[in-house]
Amino acid sequence: EIVLTQSPGTLSLSPGERATLSCRASQSVNYNFVAWYQQKAGQAPRLLIFDASNRATGIPDRFSASGSGTEFTLTISRLAPEDSGMYFCQQHGSSPVTFGGGTNLEL
Amino acid sequence: QVLLVQSGTEVKKPGSSAKVTCQASGGTFNSSAISWVRQAPGQGLEWMGKIIPILGSSNYAQNFQDRVTITADKSTGTAYLEVTGLTSEDTAVYFCARGSGLVMSPYFEYWGQGTLVTVSS
Repeated sequence: EIVLTQSPGTLSLSPGERATLSCRASQSVNYNFVAWYQQKAGQAPRLLIFDASNRATGIPDRFSASGSGTEFTLTISRLAPEDSGMYFCQQHGSSPVTFGGGTNLEL
Repeated sequence: QVLLVQSGTEVKKPGSSAKVTCQASGGTFNSSAISWVRQAPGQGLEWMGKIIPILGSSNYAQNFQDRVTITADKSTGTAYLEVTGLTSEDTAVYFCARGSGLVMSPYFEYWGQGTLVTVSS
């Protein structure tokens, strides 16, 4: 199975700044199918991005993602206070789907 | 609007079994795959397995193949997760999620609210 490693473990930034979160795969992800989720404490994950760069319904354009092969990035421009939380990447190019360990974004 | 509503918190003894339900409304339950994802306290997300209700076929992650059964009732739009031989390491929040994209390797747009299963003597 594909192992996903996210970095950094914790990211501390201020509102208005830009956040860059990384997700590295142990082998190439088929079709570059990577998804990103935001999770707040006590809640279910919320889909942000699928297929590497497609925003999910209702996700503001401050969220963008890119990448290919084994290196993927989620970028949040102009951070807002409500962007704090855990962020997980997931590869959905091969079975079993796997998740990264998460990045904790603190504002 | 797809809505997944899960059953409530459970407290179980070691060695016992837990069965969590996931009631779906809206969308196309029978033709969509429903997965179960586990999250231990303070930890990441772990995919356990999925079922395609219209086919009645399930498949499981290697780590869970021996102790987990996923079933579905097409008539009521409900999916079930049963975990046997519980240990303290099974203490976690269990989420159901509806898959999108590739059937065999989906991403998840819709999630249940999560069910906390605590295993304690």
